[in-house]
Amino acid sequence: DARVTQTPRHKVTEMGQEVTMRCQPILGHNTVFWYRQTMMQGLELLAYFRNRAPLDDSGMPKDRFSAEMPDATLATLKIQPSEPRDSAVYFCASGSGTSGGAHEQYFGPGTRLTVT
Amino acid sequence: QQQVKQSPQSLIVQKGGIPIINCAYENTAFDYFPWYQQFPGKGPALLIAIRPDVSEKKEGRFTISFNKSAKQFSLHIMDSQPGDSATYFCAAINSGGGADGLTFGKGTHLIIQP
Repeated sequence: DARVTQTPRHKVTEMGQEVTMRCQPILGHNTVFWYRQTMMQGLELLAYFRNRAPLDDSGMPKDRFSAEMPDATLATLKIQPSEPRDSAVYFCASGSGTSGGAHEQYFGPGTRLTVT
Repeated sequence: QQQVKQSPQSLIVQKGGIPIINCAYENTAFDYFPWYQQFPGKGPALLIAIRPDVSEKKEGRFTISFNKSAKQFSLHIMDSQPGDSATYFCAAINSGGGADGLTFGKGTHLIIQP
């Protein structure tokens, strides 16, 4: 049963600390997305990659957030330094598709981040 | 700017009833409209999706109705069950726009009472 995996599932950290979240996309999927979910804003796209190349990170606060895809089986989202307003659930999703879009996106279980 | 507006925010329906969740979009370039179901502590799961060249799509007890001229689409759940209690999100994407991220509605918290 192919699925997207994310680690850690929960993270509590103090303001100013670095946070790294990891995602393993479904094998064979070439597009990886990072979304953030909060009660106030709902689900928001932060960044995404196709064939490991970053295509759009306009939804991400660039001064503190960075997203990378070191290889086809690993995507990372890093926050440095973290702030209380970063508290949210971060989802990774993967899909397969060409430049026309990876329409069917499959979400991981998420990382619940709490910054105190 | 909220490009996909979803209503209602919450909905309570008796078992066997037909909950209806509505979404409206602004961007006429959107051409793929999925619905996601999310249970507490889980990631959103793709439920059903439609393209604007059809007015209705059914998969099991779930039906999407699409009105292109009104720029609206809705999800109907037939013979609803307590296990359908979840948060439902509509979404949209412009598949030819070069941007692959989904634009989500704010979600509808659905409770099916036994």
